[in-house]
Amino acid sequence: SQQGEEDPQALSIQEGENATMNCSYKTSINNLQWYRQNSGRGLVHLILIRSNEREKHSGRLRVTLDTSKKSSSLLITASRAADTASYFCASRLTGANSKLTFGKGITLSVRP
Amino acid sequence: DADVTQTPRNRITKTGKRIMLECSQTKGHDRMYWYRQDPGLGLRLIYYSFDVKDINKGEISDGYSVSRQAQAKFSLSLESAIPNQTALYFCATSDLMVSTDTQYFGPGTRLTVL
Repeated sequence: SQQGEEDPQALSIQEGENATMNCSYKTSINNLQWYRQNSGRGLVHLILIRSNEREKHSGRLRVTLDTSKKSSSLLITASRAADTASYFCASRLTGANSKLTFGKGITLSVRP
Repeated sequence: DADVTQTPRNRITKTGKRIMLECSQTKGHDRMYWYRQDPGLGLRLIYYSFDVKDINKGEISDGYSVSRQAQAKFSLSLESAIPNQTALYFCATSDLMVSTDTQYFGPGTRLTVL
């Protein structure tokens, strides 16, 4: 079963609106990361939140983590057409050699 | 120049052929990974390596093999390609000294097996 699962699977919004994407996971994590993928290209790391953090910001990105609910949200404020992409959450379990487990991704379309 | 490069970028091959995908990195990272991406399934880990002499199976290693020839190079081989190995393949690296395992991806290789 998937360690990280995103919700919704697809999201379509108007330019200027905020986009909220959610990720749930099953077991205790060391950190949770969000990545972006433009169509057919490699993933690019956006932001990371550690298990002892509740909220982080980076430019127009805000990520929250609720370890009691085993969930994270990524908020993109004032979206732009260039934000159109797929977004993946990736969770890293505790343990020195644990690896990232990626979710299936959310397709975000921002209409001009 | 890109930090993580993959060759070829696109490849069309026939069932039963042997094919090798190559990955090189200039980031000086110890850890290297191979993933495949299929529509609706996200990224799935095939193999990973934490050092030159270290090879580990991932979630879906059957039908694949890897070689870590040097710290900077990690190759993925399909010994006898089959159509359901048609996918987008990504190499990624991460820094052993950074506990978060943040990964840096190559541009991908689109493989089609006819």
